[in-house]
Amino acid sequence: NAGVTQTPKFQVLKTGQSMTLQCAQDMNHNSMYWYRQDPGMGLRLIYYSASEGTTDKGEVPNGYNVSRLNKREFSLRLESAAPSQTSVYFCASSVDRDALAKNIQYFGAGTRLSVL
Amino acid sequence: AQKITQTQPGMFVQEKEAVTLDCTYDTSDQSYGLFWYKQPSSGEMIFLIYQGSYDEQNATEGRYSLNFQKARKSANLVISASQLGDSAMYFCAMREFYNTDKLIFGTGTRLQVFP
Repeated sequence: NAGVTQTPKFQVLKTGQSMTLQCAQDMNHNSMYWYRQDPGMGLRLIYYSASEGTTDKGEVPNGYNVSRLNKREFSLRLESAAPSQTSVYFCASSVDRDALAKNIQYFGAGTRLSVL
Repeated sequence: AQKITQTQPGMFVQEKEAVTLDCTYDTSDQSYGLFWYKQPSSGEMIFLIYQGSYDEQNATEGRYSLNFQKARKSANLVISASQLGDSAMYFCAMREFYNTDKLIFGTGTRLQVFP
């Protein structure tokens, strides 16, 4: 009954360091997403993947890269972390992109990242 | 441009009372979906309820119902018989059907339930 699993839960980086946030889902969903949540703001979409092997930019993609490793896993990489990337990062997944469906997105527990 | 507005930064409600959390949206699309998520202090985002723009009846899920007024572009969440465990942040979100990958979120409302 895991759903969407994110690792790590917390991370502190120094400016310029790199790291990869991991996300895995066990619901056999086709679409996966990465969001960031900043204080006083709702979630904003960074990147998404409609299916294995495809990725597309969202609203705030600068400074990030993603990899859809397989159907289950979708990772987010910060190549050179900046203080502006201090945020809470959420991974989500949904069954598909069918416009006729609810396409409910289910979220992981989040990764709290601080860049000093 | 699509936008979600939640004008109540914080709300208080007494246990067992009902509370309404406001959400208005802006879209030029005729086909869209509206969602409410709950974020407790533990941080996860929990899906609560969905309303499609063509749904004729207001959505209900247990103690949650959505007061959907299409002409006014509002989708307010009603929580009946509030419980202490309902204390959390609540986010309204919208997805336009032509743009199926993008979920637009409001800034949220913090609900506190007191005994």
